[in-house]
Amino acid sequence: DAGVIQSPRHEVTEMGQEVTLRCKPISGHNSLFWYRQTMMRGLELLIYFNNNVPIDDSGMPEDRFSAKMPNASFSTLKIQPSEPRDSAVYFCASSRWGRELTDTQYFGPGTRLTVL
Amino acid sequence: EDQVTQSPEALRLQEGESSSLNCSYTVSGLRGLFWYRQDPGKGPEFLFTLYSAGEEKEKERLKATLTKKESFLHITAPKPEDSATYLCAVLRGYGGSQGNLIFGKGTKLSVKP
Repeated sequence: DAGVIQSPRHEVTEMGQEVTLRCKPISGHNSLFWYRQTMMRGLELLIYFNNNVPIDDSGMPEDRFSAKMPNASFSTLKIQPSEPRDSAVYFCASSRWGRELTDTQYFGPGTRLTVL
Repeated sequence: EDQVTQSPEALRLQEGESSSLNCSYTVSGLRGLFWYRQDPGKGPEFLFTLYSAGEEKEKERLKATLTKKESFLHITAPKPEDSATYLCAVLRGYGGSQGNLIFGKGTKLSVKP
C-alpha cells in the first residue's frame, strides 16, 4: 500500500515567488496534517483537516500561507509570496481518525523548500 | 502551556551499550504519547503509541514506557542501524474531537561499531 505522497521533493525558488506543495494522503485516511520542520523550532503543526474540512489553522504563520483540501485524496499548501525565512522541510501526514481513536499519523517524505 | 521536552539532545553510544531517552511533557487533555524515528532526509516513521501510565510496548531492541509525566525509550544492545533522531509527541484533544500532535525536538542517537 502506498504511503503518503508529497511533491515536489525539493523546491528552490526566489523570494517573492509563489510556491505550491502537494500531498496525497493514504487511501482511506480522513485526517490530513501539514507540518514544517526547522533546526530551530523542530516539527510544528501548520494546519489540519478532518474529512476535507480545516479544523485548526492556528499554526499557519501568516496570511502568505494557505492550504486547501478539495477532496479526500489531495491537498495543497501554498506560500505567496515566499520569503527566505520560509526555507524548511514541509511534511504532510495522514491518519484515520474515528471511533478507535488510534490517531496514528503517517508521514510523507517531505518537501525541502529553499527560498533564495 | 502544553510542552514536550526531550533529553538528551544528542547521545553517542558504542554498539551494545544500552541506554534510555527521556520525554517529559505537560499537556492538558492527553490522549496518547507517540514515538517516531526519523532518518536524515526522510519523514518520521511511527514506532509506538502509549495511552496510559504504566503501559509498555516493545519492538526489537526498543521498549517504550509511560508515566503520568514522562516517557522513556529504552534501547537495549543498540546496533549502528539504530542511529537516527527519535521524536516524542503527545496527542491532545477533548471528547470526540480530532486531536493534534505536539512534538519534542528529538534526541539524535549515534551508535558506533
